[in-house]
Amino acid sequence: NAGVTQTPKFQVLKTGQSMTLQCAQDMNHEYMSWYRQDPGMGLRLIHYSVGAGITDQGEVPNGYNVSRSTTEDFPLRLLSAAPSQTSVYFCASSYSGVGITDTQYFGPGTRLTVL
Amino acid sequence: GQQLNQSPQSMFIQEGEDVSMNCTSSSIFNTWLWYKQEPGEGPVLLIALYKAGELTSNGRLTAQFGITRKDSFLNISASIPSDVGIYFCAGRLNTGNQFYFGTGTSLTVIP
Repeated sequence: NAGVTQTPKFQVLKTGQSMTLQCAQDMNHEYMSWYRQDPGMGLRLIHYSVGAGITDQGEVPNGYNVSRSTTEDFPLRLLSAAPSQTSVYFCASSYSGVGITDTQYFGPGTRLTVL
Repeated sequence: GQQLNQSPQSMFIQEGEDVSMNCTSSSIFNTWLWYKQEPGEGPVLLIALYKAGELTSNGRLTAQFGITRKDSFLNISASIPSDVGIYFCAGRLNTGNQFYFGTGTSLTVIP
């Protein structure tokens, strides 16, 4: 059981380039989410998914796209990277369900720098 | 988005001392989580709380779900150098699946 995995661990992009951050979990969790973490700030939710085929926006969705074609995978796409997207990105998963006791498990993070 | 106020922002303590930190919200939460994050790593779940008044321990760590459901507390007893890191609280509202995070408490333990 690998938990939540993320690739790549580090990435440097030029402004305007596109890329996809990968996230996978092997715990059969329905709920997956992407956060960004900036210095001195807590984690802020970008997008989340409550199951395959269903996604929704979080607090800071602009500049990011997501899709959820399988339960296991939840990639995050940057279509045209900007320096403001320099951050550490974390993927998380949980069993999901309103009112159901639940906890979130995080991946190791992707450190992205946009020049 | 929801604002979670976490305090203190940072702490410098001597090894062996006890630590207390808290998290408050203007909204009522149905779940409180406490995480620890070490440099270069993702947050690791320490304690999960699901009911108002609940008191849960994990080794030297004890966390409580506040009676008002708008706050939570984390205590670390007899701190050791490996307790160093940033501690985050996270809460979930009664409606929705989103977790909202505090800004973190940075803990430094001086041997």
